[in-house]
Amino acid sequence: DQQVKQNSPSLSVQEGRISILNCDYTNSMFDYFLWYKKYPAEGPTFLISISSIKDKNEDGRFTVFLNKSAKHLSLHIVPSQPGDSAVYFCAASPNFGNEKLTFGTGTRLTIIP
Amino acid sequence: DTGVSQNPRHKITKRGQNVTFRCDPISEHNRLYWYRQTLGQGPEFLTYFQNEAQLEKSRLLSDRFSAERPKGSFSTLEIQRTEQGDSAMYLCASSIGTGGQETQYFGPGTRLLVL
Repeated sequence: DQQVKQNSPSLSVQEGRISILNCDYTNSMFDYFLWYKKYPAEGPTFLISISSIKDKNEDGRFTVFLNKSAKHLSLHIVPSQPGDSAVYFCAASPNFGNEKLTFGTGTRLTIIP
Repeated sequence: DTGVSQNPRHKITKRGQNVTFRCDPISEHNRLYWYRQTLGQGPEFLTYFQNEAQLEKSRLLSDRFSAERPKGSFSTLEIQRTEQGDSAMYLCASSIGTGGQETQYFGPGTRLLVL
């Protein structure tokens, strides 16, 4: 079963506008969430994370929101830039001593100049 | 560069051959993870080490797969008698390993193609 879901395989956004990527999870034991960005033929690059004790975390143009009751998180990128075009993965880990990550299937973001 | 490194970056092999991949984690990181990514999917956990101890293996890791981290530094992942279904990107990640909520940093991956 897919414990972390990214239901939008792709998203296109105009340069300068806001990009919103969504992620849903089913496992209540998840308490740490991360977003990674991946270019073709490269490994995932860490972007931003959020602990379950928070509902928002911001780092420059990137903000992650967490809604625990809905088991939903989102990544906002403002303003979107051409270099943001990549595949974005949502990942989650439980807090019982093993931080192995469970990933979603990714969303391909394309920024249109 | 002090990031996670992996070698080789690409490997093409014939079905039935053995292959070995190497991962060098970030130097002060105690935890090392192996993941596998196939086309259209996110990375899937294979196994992880705390220092030299292998603490968990996924059911994805069949008996043909073996991983080691002999001195708690670099790690190797060996696949014996490769099958076409083993074709994937093999990713290594490391984290500090003090417990709690840690960020894993990934290497560039080794892309394996089994013919």
